[in-house]
Amino acid sequence: EADIYQTPRYLVIGTGKKITLECSQTMGHDKMYWYQQDPGMELHLIHYSYGVNSTEKGDLSSESTVSRIRTEHFPLTLESARPSHTSQYLCASSPLAGYYEQYFGPGTRLTVT
Amino acid sequence: GNSVTQMEGPVTLSEEAFLTINCTYTATGYPSLFWYVQYPGEGLQLLLKATKADDKGSNKGFEATYRKETTSFHLEKGSVQVSDSAVYFCALSLSNFGNEKLTFGTGTRLTIIP
Repeated sequence: EADIYQTPRYLVIGTGKKITLECSQTMGHDKMYWYQQDPGMELHLIHYSYGVNSTEKGDLSSESTVSRIRTEHFPLTLESARPSHTSQYLCASSPLAGYYEQYFGPGTRLTVT
Repeated sequence: GNSVTQMEGPVTLSEEAFLTINCTYTATGYPSLFWYVQYPGEGLQLLLKATKADDKGSNKGFEATYRKETTSFHLEKGSVQVSDSAVYFCALSLSNFGNEKLTFGTGTRLTIIP
């Protein structure tokens, strides 16, 4: 079944640790996105990619980095986690053509202590 | 720039009540419009969409009509259920030579009481 996956679903980690949030999709979509969702529910685009070796920063500045070495995989890395990084992170993908709707993964809830 | 304004929440209704969540947009051009739903602890799911003026999107008893003259895309349901309790996001997307991104509203939290 075509889908989009995120792991881990929940992560509690101490300050200063390096973490990688995984996102994979089996829909063959070229475009992928990372959003940060604050407790007030608002969604902020932090990274996006339009294909292999393409990455761009989104509308909200983030200390995280991303890579796109394979079409289906779009991991997000924090080199040194801080309490201010505590948030819900949502990954999404969309096809190159069409009406631009995005398909979302279940999210990773990150808590940095 | 492009923007989406949706009804402030939270909204609390009794089961079987009629639901309207207002959404208006500002866009340079002719956007596609979407409603997404986020159930507790989950990601966003596409609920319905409309891609041109006067189109009506519908799914799971929810409906929304693309009104170009009022730049609106209000979400409606005739009889809500407890299982409809979730956060609802209105969004738009515009063709931009391959640089399309979704612009989201701030979300409306809906709670249905039995």
